[in-house]
Amino acid sequence: AQSVSQHNHHVILSEAASLELGCNYSYGGTVNLFWYVQYPGQHLQLLLKYFSGDPLVKGIKGFEAEFIKSKFSFNLRKPSVQWSDTAEYFCAVILPDSSYKLIFGSGTRLLVRP
Amino acid sequence: EAQVTQNPRYLITVTGKKLTVTCSQNMNHEYMSWYRQDPGLGLRQIYYSMNVEVTDKGDVPEGYKVSRKEKRNFPLILESPSPNQTSLYFCASESQTSGKNEQFFGPGTRLTVL
Repeated sequence: AQSVSQHNHHVILSEAASLELGCNYSYGGTVNLFWYVQYPGQHLQLLLKYFSGDPLVKGIKGFEAEFIKSKFSFNLRKPSVQWSDTAEYFCAVILPDSSYKLIFGSGTRLLVRP
Repeated sequence: EAQVTQNPRYLITVTGKKLTVTCSQNMNHEYMSWYRQDPGLGLRQIYYSMNVEVTDKGDVPEGYKVSRKEKRNFPLILESPSPNQTSLYFCASESQTSGKNEQFFGPGTRLTVL
């Protein structure tokens, strides 16, 4: 079935550790890709997005993601996490024929220990 | 301040008692959408609206209704709530003309149906 997969459901890191969260999608053709973050008790906020061009996308708060078409992946990275990065992270796609409908992965809960 | 607001933020109700969750945006966005968030499932789209008087089903529309009589408002109606509708609900909106392709999310409504 077509889907967005986030294989890491829970990640625990110490401050200053590097972060990589996996995201794979199973849709063929061109897709638009997003990472959203949800801090505890808050609404979703856009971290970064990829539509075309440079496959390495830089977002807010030092996050970046790399689109690898051959692997159907859009992994999120940050070289050095902070306690304030504790949140749930969602990968999402928009299919080219579905206008604005976001299809979300199941989310990854990140806990950063001080 | 540009924002999406939802009311109420928290609601506990009983099976069968009709309820409405309001959503309002002040950004003149054409597109609005409702999602529900459940653990391990990410966010799933319930209904969406491309503009006034234009609504359509998302992935999980059963048990829900919506209306879009005004551009800024997109209420979610549960005519006869059931316990399986206990969830966290998010409203989102997006401009179809800005070209930014970013959905703005409301703060969420946590609904418990007993």
